[in-house]
Amino acid sequence: AQKVTQAQTEISVVEKEDVTLDCVYETRDTTYYLFWYKQPPSGELVFLIRRNSFDEQNEISGRYSWNFQKSTSSFNFTITASQVVDSAVYFCALSEGELTGGGNKLTFGTGTQLKVEL
Amino acid sequence: ETGVTQTPRHLVMGMTNKKSLKCEQHLGHNAMYWYKQSAKKPLELMFVYSLEERVENNSVPSRFSPECPNSSHLFLHLHTLQPEDSALYLCASSQSDRYNEQFFGPGTRLTVL
Repeated sequence: AQKVTQAQTEISVVEKEDVTLDCVYETRDTTYYLFWYKQPPSGELVFLIRRNSFDEQNEISGRYSWNFQKSTSSFNFTITASQVVDSAVYFCALSEGELTGGGNKLTFGTGTQLKVEL
Repeated sequence: ETGVTQTPRHLVMGMTNKKSLKCEQHLGHNAMYWYKQSAKKPLELMFVYSLEERVENNSVPSRFSPECPNSSHLFLHLHTLQPEDSALYLCASSQSDRYNEQFFGPGTRLTVL
């Protein structure tokens, strides 16, 4: 069965610190996709990134960067120079692929609550 | 309107009431999803519709009844709910091709008294 583990339940940092959110996954599929979402207090999950299992290049987008290590089944997310607006719950998710009839099924981790304080 | 919208944003209902949650997507997607998010638990997939056909029913009790009249609209009809059904209900949409990201609405915060 597919599984996503986010062992860090809550992280508190001071603004401008760098912070890394861990994500470890389990799957028997050779082709899969990994995702990160952000859920601010408003409730809406905001899509941040999608990464396929064949692309192990790290990705950087502004202050955000992602490190995909297939050998350790990890897809970690780093925020550089954190800001108060980064405070949210962050979810890592794994795609189980296409459902019969269409659509896909995501397995989510339990999320990491990030609090950035002044 | 852009993205995925949900109404109402907040709902309080008694166990004998009947209510409906509405979701609308403006992204041209052809798959829609209902999720339940309870405190301290992972997001639980409830239903998936692709091209207006239900393709997944994740062992959800019959007191939750989904409806997808077209590819832009999704409803969740509620009746005789239990207090443990209180949660944030999130709607999402995507293209039905495999591995596409899902886009979420803001959710409906449901409280069952």
